Amino acid sequence: AQKVTQAQTEISVVEKEDVTLDCVYETRDTTYYLFWYKQPPSGELVFLIRRNSFDEQNEISGRYSWNFQKSTSSFNFTITASQVVDSAVYFCALSERNQGGKLIFGQGTELSVKP
Amino acid sequence: KAGVTQTPRYLIKTRGQQVTLSCSPISGHRSVSWYQQTPGQGLQFLFEYFSETQRNKGNFPGRFSGRQFSNSRSEMNVSTLELGDSALYLCASSPLAGGPGEQYFGPGTRLTVT
Repeated sequence: AQKVTQAQTEISVVEKEDVTLDCVYETRDTTYYLFWYKQPPSGELVFLIRRNSFDEQNEISGRYSWNFQKSTSSFNFTITASQVVDSAVYFCALSERNQGGKLIFGQGTELSVKP
Repeated sequence: KAGVTQTPRYLIKTRGQQVTLSCSPISGHRSVSWYQQTPGQGLQFLFEYFSETQRNKGNFPGRFSGRQFSNSRSEMNVSTLELGDSALYLCASSPLAGGPGEQYFGPGTRLTVT
């Protein structure tokens, strides 16, 4: 069964703090893809990153970094030196090889960054 | 390049009515997917279309249907609306089909059923 769990429903931090959003996934497929999306108050989902199951290298993009660990089925997202503009709901999602464009989303983590 | 557009942005309907939502993908994108977002169920996959063919379908009743036109524009229809159909309906387009390409989402259509 496919499943994505984001155990943190809400996180509140003060600007410039680092914050990590957790994502745990379940899949029986050996080839799969993981995503993170950001949904600001405007409602439009913004693509952040895609990672395939064969690439466990961590990735850094500016203040964003992602840690993919197949051994623990986790794909965590860290924001360094958070800013107020990072306030949004963040979704982790899973897509399996034969499922085409079907994304299985976690429930989302609402991040609030206070000045 | 223009992003994914969805019309209308807001809609209010009455139980029992039907509704049609429209999605225009990014130019050159041939795959369109639809998702329903509600506070209780979160984001749930409805269906995916590529080259006018439905390639994948989520676990929704037959009241939910869709189609794609030759220009890749897509519509989804919900018949016999129920209160529980109130949701944000998101459309996403991707240049790839059958593959996990990045999906680019539109702003959504907020449907309220009274």
